[in-house]
Amino acid sequence: DIQMTQSPSTLSASVGDRVTITCRASQSVNSWLAWYQQKPGKAPKLLIYKASSLQSGVPSRFSGSGSGTEFTLTISSLQPDDFATYYCQQYNDYPCKFGQGTKVEIK
Amino acid sequence: QVQLVESGGGVVQPGRSLILSCAASRFTFSDYVMHWVRQAPGKGLEWVAVVSSDGRVKYYGDSVRGRFTISRDNSENTLYLQMNGLRAEDTAVYYCARGGSEQLARVLGNWGQGTLVTVSS
Repeated sequence: DIQMTQSPSTLSASVGDRVTITCRASQSVNSWLAWYQQKPGKAPKLLIYKASSLQSGVPSRFSGSGSGTEFTLTISSLQPDDFATYYCQQYNDYPCKFGQGTKVEIK
Repeated sequence: QVQLVESGGGVVQPGRSLILSCAASRFTFSDYVMHWVRQAPGKGLEWVAVVSSDGRVKYYGDSVRGRFTISRDNSENTLYLQMNGLRAEDTAVYYCARGGSEQLARVLGNWGQGTLVTVSS
C-alpha cells in the first residue's frame, strides 16, 4: 500500500500569511493526488484534484503543485475562514490513503 | 445539489454487527462510484471501501477487509456498509462520499454529514 505523510502536523499562522503544506507518498502516485479541507464537526471538502486542479468554487488563493512523490498545498494569503485541518489523499491505486492531516491554527 | 444522508449509526457491543445506509439524491446515483470513509474521534480520515457504479467491483481498506461489506441498491439510490465483527477501534464517524466522473472516480467531491458508530460494551 502507498503511505502518505504530511508535514507539518500543526502550523501556526496569521491572517495574510502565505502557508505551505507538504505531502509525500511512499511511492509515485503520478499526479493522482487530492487535497481536502475539514472544519470541526463538518465533513471534508474537496479543494484540489490531480495535484493542481482547483475544484469549482474554491478560492484562487488555494493552489497545489507537485508530481510523483512530493506535493504541496499553498494558501497565498491566509483568511479567517481557512483555519482548519487539511488532508492529502492519493488516488493512484486502491486502497486510497489519506495523509495524517495538517492543522492550521491561529498564531 | 448533491445530497447524501447517512443513517444507522449507534452504540453496538464488540463482536456484533451493524448496517449503515446512505441515501443519495439530486443526482443519477447509478452513474457514480461510491465510497465510505471514517474518522475516529480526534483522528484523521481513513478510507474504508469503494463500490463501482454497477455494484460489481469492490475494494476495501486493510483494517476492514473480511469484516465489512459495501453494497448498493441503484433502484433505491442507497449505499450500504455491512459491518461485522465490530471492534473498539471501529468507533468513528462514517461518511459516505461520491466519487467524481471517469478519471476522478476516486476523488471524493461530495460527502454526507456522517453517522457515528460507537463500539463499546
